Amino acid sequence: DTGVSQNPRHKITKRGQNVTFRCDPISEHNRLYWYRQTLGQGPEFLTYFQNEAQLEKSRLLSDRFSAERPKGSFSTLEIQRTEQGDSAMYLCASSPPGTSGSREQYFGPGTRLTVT
Amino acid sequence: DQQVKQNSPSLSVQEGRISILNCDYTNSMFDYFLWYKKYPAEGPTFLISISSIKDKNEDGRFTVFLNKSAKHLSLHIVPSQPGDSAVYFCAASARGGGSYIPTFGRGTSLIVHP
Repeated sequence: DTGVSQNPRHKITKRGQNVTFRCDPISEHNRLYWYRQTLGQGPEFLTYFQNEAQLEKSRLLSDRFSAERPKGSFSTLEIQRTEQGDSAMYLCASSPPGTSGSREQYFGPGTRLTVT
Repeated sequence: DQQVKQNSPSLSVQEGRISILNCDYTNSMFDYFLWYKKYPAEGPTFLISISSIKDKNEDGRFTVFLNKSAKHLSLHIVPSQPGDSAVYFCAASARGGGSYIPTFGRGTSLIVHP
């Protein structure tokens, strides 16, 4: 199975520390998305890459958040100086190229971040 | 400002009966709608979708209905099975720049009792 993978699956950190998450999309997918999900909410969009270019960022993405996708393959999401409000599930999704047809995304299992 | 609303946080249904999950949206620019299913400790998985040029799409036990004038869509599951117990998210996207970034509702937790 070559689905979307995310590492680590769980991360516990102390407030003020930096954390980095990794997402490996499905290999032929050129579009990659990051979402954040908190309890009782649906996934909230954070940022979008097409190949290596970061094309969209949500206003939810504060200056403490940065994402990269070098070489258009895997992506990393870094949170600097974590706050308790950053505790959430961080989801990565990918989708194939093409402008027609279905727009479904393929999600990874997520990284659950707990900031103490 | 929630552009995609799932007003029922939970739904309980008997096995074999129909499950109907509802979703309302406010943004008239949305032209594509999707339903995702999510089990605990897993990411959402795509279930079924519908374009705004259609009013119904069927895939096995799952049917999505779209009422554009009411800005309302619904997911019907017939017959419901215990394995369908999960959180269902409605999502909507608008054509623009090729990103197709969806806006998700808060989800409805479906419990199917044996």
